[in-house]
Amino acid sequence: GENVEQHPSTLSVQEGDSAVIKCTYSDSASNYFPWYKQELGKRPQLIIDIRSNVGEKKDQRIAVTLNKTAKHFSLHITETQPEDSAVYFCAASKGMNTGFQKLVFGTGTRLLVSP
Amino acid sequence: NAGVTQTPKFRILKIGQSMTLQCTQDMNHNYMYWYRQDPGMGLKLIYYSVGAGITDKGEVPNGYNVSRSTTEDFPLRLELAAPSQTSVYFCASSLTGTRSSYEQYFGPGTRLTVT
Repeated sequence: GENVEQHPSTLSVQEGDSAVIKCTYSDSASNYFPWYKQELGKRPQLIIDIRSNVGEKKDQRIAVTLNKTAKHFSLHITETQPEDSAVYFCAASKGMNTGFQKLVFGTGTRLLVSP
Repeated sequence: NAGVTQTPKFRILKIGQSMTLQCTQDMNHNYMYWYRQDPGMGLKLIYYSVGAGITDKGEVPNGYNVSRSTTEDFPLRLELAAPSQTSVYFCASSLTGTRSSYEQYFGPGTRLTVT
């Protein structure tokens, strides 16, 4: 089955710096790659996602890149702010082109942004 | 809309007891999921449902059971609780349709301790 590895497990940056979190996946048939943010004691929430027919997607300070050949994808956060501090999870799935996706999650990256 | 709601928020069970975790969504989503999140780990899929009356196993189904008699409700049953089932349980739902977002909307979680 699919296996998703995520690095680093912890990332500390200064406010205003950039942060990059990387994930690799094992199943070349995977075609959907979301990123979820989970604040302490809260539920996971989708922040950005990318489908396999796209190499990069941006949303304000957040971007995701996908390299299908190497089977890895990355989350980039620019101009980090203290409110970006949270645990970030990547995931992968090979669902059909519908809203049904059996997500396999990475183990998470704890991002700490210091003022 | 309340979104995805879960009850209870917290529960302590003794080994061998049983309980049902409740999950309800009011967004008319066809797809629903149950995940568990162990400390410092990502989420793992326990069971999922693609519609009323249809359920199937995810990555870690042992020790659990589900039912889906209505579109709104997707309860998770734990029989003969074991310490290994100590975890935070999240219910989630998503839309159908090829042009819809693939986002999974999570409930607030149930923190379960088995002692």
